Amino acid sequence: EIVLTQSPGTLSLSPGERATLSCRASQSVSSSYLAWYQQKPGQAPRLLIYGASSRATGIPDRFSGSGSGTDFTLTISRLEPEDFAVYYCQQYGSSPTFGQGTKVEIK
Amino acid sequence: QVQLQESGPGLVKPSQTLSLTCTVSGGSISSGGYYWSWIRQHPGKGLEWIGYIYYSGSTYYNPSLKSRVTISVDTSKNQFSLKLSSVTAADTAVYYCATMIPRSHLDYWGQGTLVTVSS
Repeated sequence: EIVLTQSPGTLSLSPGERATLSCRASQSVSSSYLAWYQQKPGQAPRLLIYGASSRATGIPDRFSGSGSGTDFTLTISRLEPEDFAVYYCQQYGSSPTFGQGTKVEIK
Repeated sequence: QVQLQESGPGLVKPSQTLSLTCTVSGGSISSGGYYWSWIRQHPGKGLEWIGYIYYSGSTYYNPSLKSRVTISVDTSKNQFSLKLSSVTAADTAVYYCATMIPRSHLDYWGQGTLVTVSS
């Protein structure tokens, strides 16, 4: 099973700042199989990025994904108030797994 | 656009079987193209994949839950179901159904349903 480790656990930032979230895999993951989700309290997760760098339908272009192999990054270029949430990465290798999440909170 | 809705008991006794159904609208389970998935989230914790089923009936289960999980599909009702046997308090979680693009990502999610295991 591929383990995904997200860092940091919590990111304290102000609106307008840039957020950089990391997702590191225990084994190489095909870029086609790496996705990012956003989850707000009391809501289901929402797909942001798939294939490591493709934005899902309706996702603003301030969200971008990058990376390959074992290191992947989600970047939010300028935080809007609605972006404060928990973010998860997910891979589909031999079996699907999620990272443990990064919480982006208001500083 | 596909919509998903979970249904089932919100309270299950220890050692019993948890049973949930996901009703699909806006698309047909038998049209192919998706794996129909179950994911859960323990209170205040991260996401855990339970398993998924293709309309043909082929399944994948999380190895850590495999001995207790059964996912089935009813194409006539456009529903798929989850059964988790011998539950304990550790199975208390919000359970989500979702659509999965094969070998890729989850794009549509239900709103989730909280299941509490308690006597």
